[in-house]
Amino acid sequence: GAVVSQHPSWVICKSGTSVKIECRSLDFQATTMFWYRQFPKQSLMLMATSNEGSKATYEQGVEKDKFLINHASLTLSTLTVTSAHPEDSSFYICSARGDQGPDYEQYFGPGTRLTVT
Amino acid sequence: GQNIDQPTEMTATEGAIVQINCTYQTSGFNGLFWYQQHAGEAPTFLSYNVLDGLEEKGRFSSFLSRSKGYSYLLLKELQMKDSASYLCAVTDSNYQLIWGAGTKLIIKP
Repeated sequence: GAVVSQHPSWVICKSGTSVKIECRSLDFQATTMFWYRQFPKQSLMLMATSNEGSKATYEQGVEKDKFLINHASLTLSTLTVTSAHPEDSSFYICSARGDQGPDYEQYFGPGTRLTVT
Repeated sequence: GQNIDQPTEMTATEGAIVQINCTYQTSGFNGLFWYQQHAGEAPTFLSYNVLDGLEEKGRFSSFLSRSKGYSYLLLKELQMKDSASYLCAVTDSNYQLIWGAGTKLIIKP
């Protein structure tokens, strides 16, 4: 149990275009979802926290108009990178916390590698 | 500020034991996690400590001392597949995860 999927697993896009990444909890209801970004050889950096049905809370330095997060249901959250630029190329990982398992545990998706050319 | 320190890189030999240390300074404490992350993959959960002491799970053990702001992950009988980054993360008073930069563990035959 407690499986989180992400789609796509990798994407290449041209500079200036937008990319949407989906994060789904497959067998549990995710009341809270987290979006992380990880650059090569660096640790995870939390971008935002989203609770179902409410606006996401963004970390300092993360542009909310550039990284649009929607958590419309208890099983789906989306991250849209708008007007992507090469510096947005990174590994994006979502995690979910909900009614499955201990309250403290986050379950991670497999990640999405974004390359902006 | 909030800070988690762990060594950047460690090298060990197959079959040996290695201890990866983590020290933290956070606003509040609601538990400490260790995750394993292979290159290009998402982290996978290894252990969770909220009380002082040692938690053993197979070849992996994790220790916590809250008074010292210190934890370690102990890996026994190292295998080549244990080559990965090991991430220490602490849940603060707001139940937010604060991540360390990770320790890259290199296993040599």
